[in-house]
Amino acid sequence: GAGVSQSPRYKVTKRGQDVTLRCDPISSHATLYWYQQALGQGPEFLTYFNYEAQPDKSGLPSDRFSAERPEGSISTLTIQRTEQRDSAMYRCASSFAANTGELFFGEGSRLTVL
Amino acid sequence: AQSVTQLGSHVSVSEGALVLLRCNYSSSVPPYLFWYVQYPNQGLQLLLKYTTGATLVKGINGFEAEFKKSETSFHLTKPSAHMSDAAEYFCAVSEAGGFKTIFGAGTRLFVKA
Repeated sequence: GAGVSQSPRYKVTKRGQDVTLRCDPISSHATLYWYQQALGQGPEFLTYFNYEAQPDKSGLPSDRFSAERPEGSISTLTIQRTEQRDSAMYRCASSFAANTGELFFGEGSRLTVL
Repeated sequence: AQSVTQLGSHVSVSEGALVLLRCNYSSSVPPYLFWYVQYPNQGLQLLLKYTTGATLVKGINGFEAEFKKSETSFHLTKPSAHMSDAAEYFCAVSEAGGFKTIFGAGTRLFVKA
């Protein structure tokens, strides 16, 4: 697509429920990133993909968090058994290649866990 | 490990005044440095970047930043603020050729009429 698209834009869920967030990157971009942004903070790296490979997931806070990009295009971020501390803006970004540093961000998915 | 410190979570200037947003970074390897801007309800967008070469880089909307290795700084400036510049600004660093971009906590710029 023309830009990075994320859905849903807003998600409210109850503690203990599973949540899946979706990211559709710019079509020519090989690399896709997930970031978590708490209120008043900058984005924090979670994980990234080069096509369908996931070379680094060191930023995922716990094993409740997982991400996929099975066909090297659309990606999902799943949070199992959500906790209130998971409430944040989840941002997806893509780039033409992993080492250019220039990221194109979507509008984000705001998750609220009650 | 790399890190970014943005001095001042909020900066307020009058329209027409100089804008100066401060950023210091820490990196053990040559860095790539970035400024991103975020307008309300939008994603972050790249304002400017330094990779190699000229240390003074110019970006969109009249902003520029200077890479000063000796001071480990990459401050963002604009000679004359406009109301439309009101937004949140993030400084970021990555390793040259690396994949991970580290962001600062952000500085919210307010522009007074």
